[in-house]
Amino acid sequence: DQQVKQNSPSLSVQEGRISILNCDYTNSMFDYFLWYKKYPAEGPTFLISISSIKDKNEDGRFTVFLNKSAKHLSLHIVPSQPGDSAVYFCAANHQSGTYKYIFGTGTRLKVLA
Amino acid sequence: ETGVTQSPTHLIKTRGQQVTLRCSSQSGHNTVSWYQQALGQGPQFIFQYYREEENGRGNFPPRFSGLQFPNYSSELNVNALELDDSALYLCASSSGTSGGAGRQQFFGPGTRLTVL
Repeated sequence: DQQVKQNSPSLSVQEGRISILNCDYTNSMFDYFLWYKKYPAEGPTFLISISSIKDKNEDGRFTVFLNKSAKHLSLHIVPSQPGDSAVYFCAANHQSGTYKYIFGTGTRLKVLA
Repeated sequence: ETGVTQSPTHLIKTRGQQVTLRCSSQSGHNTVSWYQQALGQGPQFIFQYYREEENGRGNFPPRFSGLQFPNYSSELNVNALELDDSALYLCASSSGTSGGAGRQQFFGPGTRLTVL
């Protein structure tokens, strides 16, 4: 049972335009969500997070939106840069005593110069 | 501040063998989580250690075991290796199991295990 889903395996965007990466989840107990970026041969790097008490969180070029009723979150990157080309993972977490992350399968973003 | 480190970087084993992977947590972090990332998949939670005790386990068989040491470094041991154990093994450290800051995990570069 895939509790966190990223239905787009890949996305290509022109440099300077907006990249929108999507993530859906099924478990209503999740109350904390994160986005990680991963380059080849490196571990995932934290990008941005959002608590379920918010619907938006911004950090520079990165904004995460959370729609709890739809169980959907998205990551917006504006403007996209070639260095943003990587695999992006959405992860979810809930206060069950074990702070394990449930990850999606990832979306490979390619920003074209 | 030293980040999360893992050793070795790559490892090749044969079916039935045993393997030990190592992780040094980031300075000030007392919690270590281990994940398995198969090709084309997202990381899957194996287990978590908090102050030397196992603090939760994912859907992995008992031949996956771990340890955390007083300095909060950790080991992942896998016995009776199977071909499907071939994956990238990621270690992540965090500052605790509760609170906002403790929920952010910092990942090491991983150990690539190949089982032949």
